[in-house]
Amino acid sequence: SQKIEQNSEALNIQEGKTATLTCNYTNYSPAYLQWYRQDPGRGPVFLLLIRENEKEKRKERLKVTFDTTLKQSLFHITASQPADSATYLCAPVSGGSYIPTFGRGTSLIVHP
Amino acid sequence: KAGVTQTPRYLIKTRGQQVTLSCSPISGHRSVSWYQQTPGQGLQFLFEYFSETQRNKGNFPGRFSGRQFSNSRSEMNVSTLELGDSALYLCASSLGLAGGYGEQYFGPGTRLTVT
Repeated sequence: SQKIEQNSEALNIQEGKTATLTCNYTNYSPAYLQWYRQDPGRGPVFLLLIRENEKEKRKERLKVTFDTTLKQSLFHITASQPADSATYLCAPVSGGSYIPTFGRGTSLIVHP
Repeated sequence: KAGVTQTPRYLIKTRGQQVTLSCSPISGHRSVSWYQQTPGQGLQFLFEYFSETQRNKGNFPGRFSGRQFSNSRSEMNVSTLELGDSALYLCASSLGLAGGYGEQYFGPGTRLTVT
């Protein structure tokens, strides 16, 4: 069955460092993959989308990579700030159903 | 531009009752998707409506249903509520289909508690 794995343990880093979050998927051939940020008690907010034929995508301090061979996407936040503390969700989208399927998310905590 | 709005924000119901949740998408958006979020299962896709037609459906029982009106507003209904239906129900709107290359905009959600 299709499976999406994100680090279940919270990622704690110091302000100014680069945070790297991992999204692994199995039994899946996503046409593209989205990353969202979710704060407690709020709906997810879209951050970035990367297509299967793209290796890397950047937006300000954010960078996403997509390796279809490894079946993995990495999400990087450079020069992290306490305001970046949130849960980050990855959502591969299958080329067949075109339904976004969300991982359970990784909690990021940036310490000042 | 106003964001996605959902009403009510909080709801407490008794097992066996039914509930209707409402979602108003961003103006101009034609797609509305519904998701259920629980600590145990994460964010799960319920269904998507586009131009008043259900385009996709997740793996949920028939007790979960929805509809979309001509103004793109959408409602979700859950009949015969069970304790396990307690969750945050999120609505998301997008210009095109949710699975298209555009982003989804989520509402704040409706927190449903079934006792």
